[in-house]
Amino acid sequence: DAGVIQSPRHEVTEMGQEVTLRCKPISGHDYLFWYRQTMMRGLELLIYFNNNVPIDDSGMPEDRFSAKMPNASFSTLKIQPSEPRDSAVYFCASSMDRGPYEQYFGPGTRLTVT
Amino acid sequence: GQNIDQPTEMTATEGAIVQINCTYQTSGFNGLFWYQQHAGEAPTFLSYNVLDGLEEKGRFSSFLSRSKGYSYLLLKELQMKDSASYLCAGGPWGGGNKLTFGTGTQLKVEL
Repeated sequence: DAGVIQSPRHEVTEMGQEVTLRCKPISGHDYLFWYRQTMMRGLELLIYFNNNVPIDDSGMPEDRFSAKMPNASFSTLKIQPSEPRDSAVYFCASSMDRGPYEQYFGPGTRLTVT
Repeated sequence: GQNIDQPTEMTATEGAIVQINCTYQTSGFNGLFWYQQHAGEAPTFLSYNVLDGLEEKGRFSSFLSRSKGYSYLLLKELQMKDSASYLCAGGPWGGGNKLTFGTGTQLKVEL
């Protein structure tokens, strides 16, 4: 398996622009997670899905952030409008619904908002 | 709350043993996980504990004491490639384990 795939790997955009991050989980995995990592706050869970259904979005910072999972093999995280404080590395991860429930992380998208 | 504390940095010598501690204050954790993250890369799963005691996995071992809210990761026969950040994470044991991560311990292995 190719592992979790994320695109783009790097994104530089100007404040106010819309940003869309994409993720393809490992085939057969039941859960998909979106994380954000910064030096100050570490790795934070934003939202996660089970069988394409959002389960917990309490980590989403504000209404500017939205996530969808239209099918089992694709998810997007959208920021509109983007702000400089959104600059971070965004990771997507997936896992199966059986022990040890380890999460497999994608390579991440490094987002810079100027 | 769900606070996880671990040291920010540690330095150790190649071939030695190092122990990275993690303490947590929560009633919602019944699984404790360790991930390794090399600079510029994604975290990768190392080990987990759901019961008290030591779990050994090659050069890596992890220990958990649920009553004390304490875990550690033990790395033996250190190699230069072990230089990385080690993340302690707690969460429920089960599918969709909503993990809370510590900020990580940056381990530097020196000759």
